[in-house]
Amino acid sequence: GAVVSQHPSRVICKSGTSVKIECRSLDFQATTMFWYRQFPKQSLMLMATSNEGSKATYEQGVEKDKFLINHASLTLSTLTVTSAHPEDSSFYICSVFRLAGSSSYNEQFFGPGTRLTVL
Amino acid sequence: KQEVTQIPAALSVPEGENLVLNCSFTDSAIYNLQWFRQDPGKGLTSLLLIQSSQREQTSGRLNASLDKSSGRSTLYIAASQPGDSATYLCAVNGGGLTFGKGTHLIIQP
Repeated sequence: GAVVSQHPSRVICKSGTSVKIECRSLDFQATTMFWYRQFPKQSLMLMATSNEGSKATYEQGVEKDKFLINHASLTLSTLTVTSAHPEDSSFYICSVFRLAGSSSYNEQFFGPGTRLTVL
Repeated sequence: KQEVTQIPAALSVPEGENLVLNCSFTDSAIYNLQWFRQDPGKGLTSLLLIQSSQREQTSGRLNASLDKSSGRSTLYIAASQPGDSATYLCAVNGGGLTFGKGTHLIIQP
């Protein structure tokens, strides 16, 4: 499997500040990364698809101006939560997408997650 | 729109029992299906990946089956142990991953 890291693992910030979360693919170059969000007792929900060198694709209901995604290299995608508010408190998980030969063999590998608490 | 349902939502069994977790999905046009484990406050650990052309996958005490035509998958855990206690998530890949809400499993010592 692939190794994916996220930093920081936990962050607590005041309302109104911006928080940047990094997702790194450590052992292969990922043209596509995904960002998920998980609220307590809820399933993971896809927020956006991050494509290297192009704009991210956001899911319906996710504010692109609030959740800025930058995928500047094949091993790094960043999610910036701008002007964070308490309702943004959640568990954010990234994944990298690896295509192996054919589309039926694609697989995602997940980072350890970042827990954001906005006071 | 793909919908994934996991039953039961929670399960508590004594140690040593064999158990089955269920996952159903509404759109059978999938590439693969993954079962994950999530410990409290932690990220996901991939357990098994079943390709759409496969019927089952095994890893140790875990066996996952897939019936794509009926939109069902099961995760079978043999000889359960307290360390198996976690939330088990089913995710269907139809171009993007759609997750179920998970089954919260408690194995009683």
